[in-house]
Amino acid sequence: NAGVTQTPKFQVLKTGQSMTLQCAQDMNHNSMYWYRQDPGMGLRLIYYSASEGTTDKGEVPNGYNVSRLNKREFSLRLESAAPSQTSVYFCASSQEDQGGQPQHFGDGTRLSIL
Amino acid sequence: AQTVTQSQPEMSVQEAETVTLSCTYDTSESDYYLFWYKQPPSRQMILVIRQEAYKQQNATENRFSVNFQKAAKSFSLKISDSQLGDAAMYFCAYRSPYALNFGKGTSLLVTP
Repeated sequence: NAGVTQTPKFQVLKTGQSMTLQCAQDMNHNSMYWYRQDPGMGLRLIYYSASEGTTDKGEVPNGYNVSRLNKREFSLRLESAAPSQTSVYFCASSQEDQGGQPQHFGDGTRLSIL
Repeated sequence: AQTVTQSQPEMSVQEAETVTLSCTYDTSESDYYLFWYKQPPSRQMILVIRQEAYKQQNATENRFSVNFQKAAKSFSLKISDSQLGDAAMYFCAYRSPYALNFGKGTSLLVTP
């Protein structure tokens, strides 16, 4: 019953450091997503992958890169972390990229950048 | 881009009572999906209920039901017989072609 697994759960970085957030799902879903959640805000889409081998920008992609390593894994990379990227990051997956299939979320990664 | 508005930043309800959380959205599409997600202090995002726009019947899941008014672009969540475990942030979300557009959330407090 793992669902969507994110690592790490917490991380503190210094400005300019790089980091990769890992996400894996075991539900054989085709589509995967990365969101960020800031205080007083709903989740905002950073990048998504509709299917293995494809990635596309969402609403707030600047400062991030992603890799869809295989069907199970979708990583998010911060090349040069900035304090504005302090946030809670959620990975999600769904069976398809359109339609009514719900997205299943990981438990989030709380990232602080000093 | 579709926008989702939750006009109630905070709501309070007594245990066993009923509460309604409001949500409005903006879209030009005729067929779409709407969701309510719950986020307890543990930070998990938990699907509460889903509504398909082409269905006139309001979705229901146990104590949770929606009032979907397509013409008014309104999608409110009713929680009946509120329980202490219902205390959480509740997010309304619109399914755009590739992702979910979320409102800013309503914080629900449940008092004994």
